[in-house]
Amino acid sequence: SSELTQDPAVSVALGQTVRITCQGDSLRSYYASWYQQKPGQAPVLVIYGKNNRPSGIPDRFSGSSSGNTASLTITGAQAEDEADYYCNSRDSSGNHHVVFGGGTKLTVL
Amino acid sequence: EVQLVESGGGLVQPGGSLRLSCAASGFTFSSYAMHWVRQAPGKGLEYVSAISSNGGSTYYANSVKGRFTISRDNSKNTLYLQMGSLRAEDMAVYYCARVKGYGDYIAFDIWGQGTMVTVSS
Repeated sequence: SSELTQDPAVSVALGQTVRITCQGDSLRSYYASWYQQKPGQAPVLVIYGKNNRPSGIPDRFSGSSSGNTASLTITGAQAEDEADYYCNSRDSSGNHHVVFGGGTKLTVL
Repeated sequence: EVQLVESGGGLVQPGGSLRLSCAASGFTFSSYAMHWVRQAPGKGLEYVSAISSNGGSTYYANSVKGRFTISRDNSKNTLYLQMGSLRAEDMAVYYCARVKGYGDYIAFDIWGQGTMVTVSS
């Protein structure tokens, strides 16, 4: 099965732009989806597909993809964006499985 | 309101069994594939199992294959996960999640609040 790799931790100054990346072979075939998880809460979908935001997700969240790397960009990070972020995609092994990245802890300074 | 509510978690001894349930409301449950995803304490998200909308197809992570069984009762709007031969490494919060789309991406757009499974003697 394939794996997705994320940086364990990233920081950003309040109001600045931050990019969180996710790398893996499956991303050459499939788009990543991105989830935000705050302590003690369930994950929340923030980006899916090519670059789609579910209803209620602020437009400062956007997604992109190139080769084997997917990126989640937060333009003008807010204090409430401090959270863990996970990517996932379909497994390219053809086994109908799903793969998750290890997560990135975002700190807003 | 679209909602998923898990139940059935608890403390179980190594080698024991447990059945988790996930009650769906606010949407047409029978139209959606569903997944179980778990998260060990302080760790990341891990795919566990998936089931098609009509229950005809099921899939398992290698780590649980042969020990866990996913099923659903569309008449009761409920998803299940029967867990057996439980190990310490199965200890986690278990989430059920609704699948959004399944083409060139897969996304989980609705998550339950999670139910904790503790495996300990």
